[in-house]
Amino acid sequence: GIQVEQSPPDLILQEGANSTLRCNFSDSVNNLQWFHQNPWGQLINLFYIPSGTKQNGRLSATTVATERYSLLYISSSQTTDSGVYFCAVGITGGFKTIFGAGTRLFVKA
Amino acid sequence: GAVVSQHPSWVICKSGTSVKIECRSLDFQATTMFWYRQFPKQSLMLMATSNEGSKATYEQGVEKDKFLINHASLTLSTLTVTSAHPEDSSFYICSASASASSGANVLTFGAGSRLTVL
Repeated sequence: GIQVEQSPPDLILQEGANSTLRCNFSDSVNNLQWFHQNPWGQLINLFYIPSGTKQNGRLSATTVATERYSLLYISSSQTTDSGVYFCAVGITGGFKTIFGAGTRLFVKA
Repeated sequence: GAVVSQHPSWVICKSGTSVKIECRSLDFQATTMFWYRQFPKQSLMLMATSNEGSKATYEQGVEKDKFLINHASLTLSTLTVTSAHPEDSSFYICSASASASSGANVLTFGAGSRLTVL
C-alpha cells in the first residue's frame, strides 16, 4: 500500500520562529490534507491541497504532486501552534485516506 | 462548513460490557464514513469504512465481530465495541467525506471518543 512519511518526527521551536514540515508519499494521490491535532485530540483541517499552494494566515502549504511531496510552512510560531501535525492522503482510484505518523511540535514561550 | 458530531466524547466501562459511539454529519449527507483508532502518541489507523445501507468494509486485522458498525442513514454511523476489554481502550475518531469539486474526498472529523475499559 501507499507509504506516507512525515518529517521531522519531533520539533521544538522558540516562539516567533519559522518551520517547514514535510510529507512524502509513495503513490499518486487525489487528495491531500494537513491536520492539526490539539492537546484534546480534536483534528482540525488546515488545508485541502492535492496540488498547488495555499495560504491561511501564518500557515501555508505547497503540494508538488508530480514529485510526491507536500510542505507545510508555519511562520512566526506561537505557543498555541503546539500539537501534532498530520498529513493524510487519498489514493487515486481509491476511497481510503491514509495518515502519516505526524510531526509533534512544541513551541516554547 | 461541514460539521461532524461524535458522541460520547469520553466513556468509562467495565470489562465485558459493550459501548456504542455515534457519529453524525450535521449539515451534509455522508454515504461513507470512516472509523479510526488512535493509541497514545501514535497516528490514526483506519479501522473500517462505513457505507450507508450496506455492510462496512474492515481493514486487515480489525475484528468485525468486536467492532460492529451500522450506517443506517445518510447522517449517522455507529461503532459498537462489543465485550470490551482493557486492550480496547483507545481514542476512536470518526470522519465523514464531503466531496470536493474534483470528486475527491475531503474529510471532516468528529471530536473523538476516548474509551477506557476497566
